[in-house]
Amino acid sequence: QVQLQESGPGLMKPSQTLSLTCSVSSGSISSGSYYWTWIRQPAGKGLEWIGRIHTTGRTTYNPSLNSRVTISLDTSKNQFSLSLNSVTAADTAVYYCARGMSAFDLWGQGTMVTVSS
Amino acid sequence: QSALTQPASMSGSPGQSITISCTGTSSDVGGFNYVSWYQQHSGKAPKLMIFDVNKRPSGVSDRFSGSKSGNTASLTISGLQAEDEADYHCTSYTSGSTWVFGGGTKLTVL
Repeated sequence: QVQLQESGPGLMKPSQTLSLTCSVSSGSISSGSYYWTWIRQPAGKGLEWIGRIHTTGRTTYNPSLNSRVTISLDTSKNQFSLSLNSVTAADTAVYYCARGMSAFDLWGQGTMVTVSS
Repeated sequence: QSALTQPASMSGSPGQSITISCTGTSSDVGGFNYVSWYQQHSGKAPKLMIFDVNKRPSGVSDRFSGSKSGNTASLTISGLQAEDEADYHCTSYTSGSTWVFGGGTKLTVL
């Protein structure tokens, strides 16, 4: 069964660039017509869709984050990545990677990212 | 894009039925049949419970059902059980080819 696992820095300082990776196991990231997605959740709050990348490489981003976000695909490593620049305390959240088509059927366990000076 | 509107909290007794609403606009919920619902227990990742408005993934109890009328989608849980106590999130595809979530509903089983 396909599994997703996020990895990232944990603690960051304001203005730095956040880089997270989602490793896909027990299945190829290139198979099927899936959208590989990033979603985040600040403590005690709801979920926020960040953006997605299709297996063809096409990307779509949340308009509220569009200028700061890049999502990329590395098929050789079977993983996809999130880059979020100029982070502030408002970017503190649990970040999830997920697989989607008409819904998000597989999720990683999530990784906590804290932005603090 | 504005978040979908869900009640912040709801409660019910074991055996009862409850319905959680998720209100959007004609640009998201009302315009597409791509509404899904997720259950999230404390400290855990969300789990898909309903997709495409009213379809259940394999392994999800038939006590969970979904529907939509106009710009409002609903999740109904029948025969409430203690294990159903969790946060529930709705999401919808949008006319901007993006996705928008609701604020989440905290369900308490009394």
